[in-house]
Amino acid sequence: DSGVTQTPKHLITATGQRVTLRCSPRSGDLSVYWYQQSLDQGLQFLIQYYNGEERAKGNILERFSAQQFPDLHSELNLSSLELGDSALYFCASSVDDRVHGYTFGSGTRLTVV
Amino acid sequence: DQQVKQNSPSLSVQEGRISILNCDYTNSMFDYFLWYKKYPAEGPTFLISISSIKDKNEDGRFTVFLNKSAKHLSLHIVPSQPGDSAVYFCAASAWGNNRLAFGKGNQVVVIP
Repeated sequence: DSGVTQTPKHLITATGQRVTLRCSPRSGDLSVYWYQQSLDQGLQFLIQYYNGEERAKGNILERFSAQQFPDLHSELNLSSLELGDSALYFCASSVDDRVHGYTFGSGTRLTVV
Repeated sequence: DQQVKQNSPSLSVQEGRISILNCDYTNSMFDYFLWYKKYPAEGPTFLISISSIKDKNEDGRFTVFLNKSAKHLSLHIVPSQPGDSAVYFCAASAWGNNRLAFGKGNQVVVIP
């Protein structure tokens, strides 16, 4: 157990729908990062939050949004889902906003049908 | 645009022998490099890292070599063990940038 908790582990939904992925960072970690891993691809950075504020943004689609709450858990919202959004979504956390010491959760596998 | 590239998607090696994984990068601003290991149904776990001011970092059976002029790094695992069977990701970051750029990963199978 890495200490980073992601729920749900699996999600199957239809095109056009909206889903929310949840991440609880490791205790004491202030930064949360979201990554997407599509089939046969490396992990692609989506967005980072640090202590409740957006810190960095990657190639995140406009249909996707995220937030970090006062208790530091984060949610990634995916809307108007398309087949191509099917992927593994990983959350990682770190104590500060440095890249050292990333700890990843076990991911949420999203399947859009 | 894939800034971190891992060729040879899979590697099979006999237990006790050396596993060598290669990684190339294109962004000259990268100054910190990491290797992650991933088992099925788990998230990536940090393995070893190297800063651009070094050309080698060793941690037990794992050694990472960095050749900045060639924009190339490699991970050596000696001796390989069956528990090393996993997917290995190379990742890189630039100073002041909190995101990691990942390669597509290499599947390593260690044969007992």
